[in-house]
Amino acid sequence: EPEVTQTPSHQVTQMGQEVILRCVPISNHLYFYWYRQILGQKVEFLVSFYNNEISEKSEIFDDQFSVERPDGSNFTLKIRSTKLEDSAMYFCASSGQGQNYGYTFGSGTRLTVV
Amino acid sequence: DQQVKQNSPSLSVQEGRISILNCDYTNSMFDYFLWYKKYPAEGPTFLISISSIKDKNEDGRFTVFLNKSAKHLSLHIVPSQPGDSAVYFCAASARSGGSNYKLTFGKGTLLTVNP
Repeated sequence: EPEVTQTPSHQVTQMGQEVILRCVPISNHLYFYWYRQILGQKVEFLVSFYNNEISEKSEIFDDQFSVERPDGSNFTLKIRSTKLEDSAMYFCASSGQGQNYGYTFGSGTRLTVV
Repeated sequence: DQQVKQNSPSLSVQEGRISILNCDYTNSMFDYFLWYKKYPAEGPTFLISISSIKDKNEDGRFTVFLNKSAKHLSLHIVPSQPGDSAVYFCAASARSGGSNYKLTFGKGTLLTVNP
């Protein structure tokens, strides 16, 4: 069964450092997303990406965040200057068209900012 | 702004019995609803979905019911098994229009199925 792959599974970084979270979506999907879940809270939408541009972003997704699809297979989330409150599980997802458009999540990257 | 609400943070049932997980929504633009199961340190796993043009969708032990007038949906698991123990998230999407299908999640319900 097709999977969304995320690397690394766990990233520890110092406050103020830049991090890049990587995702390989399902190959024939067209829509790409990042979500995050702070410990004990709900899964929150960050950004969606379609046709090589951001189609929607939440208020969480401020100027410190950016996304890129550099090579047609990877989909990355960059946080330029991490803050303590960025510590969370970050989930990548992708979807296509159809009944449930195959909305599939990766297993997540646990980001810990110290 | 809780557009999707799961008011029960936890539910405990006996193996073999029915589990009923509930979800309410406030945004009338939502027209597609999904249930995900999540284990700790893993991503949400799709379980079952329903379009707003239907009131019921069944897949094996899982059935989702949608009451549009009440803006309420529920997930029934029959019979419940210990392996069903996980956090269950309700999610909603407004599919018509736009170029993305972002999901709005509820806070989740922790289901524990006791042997």
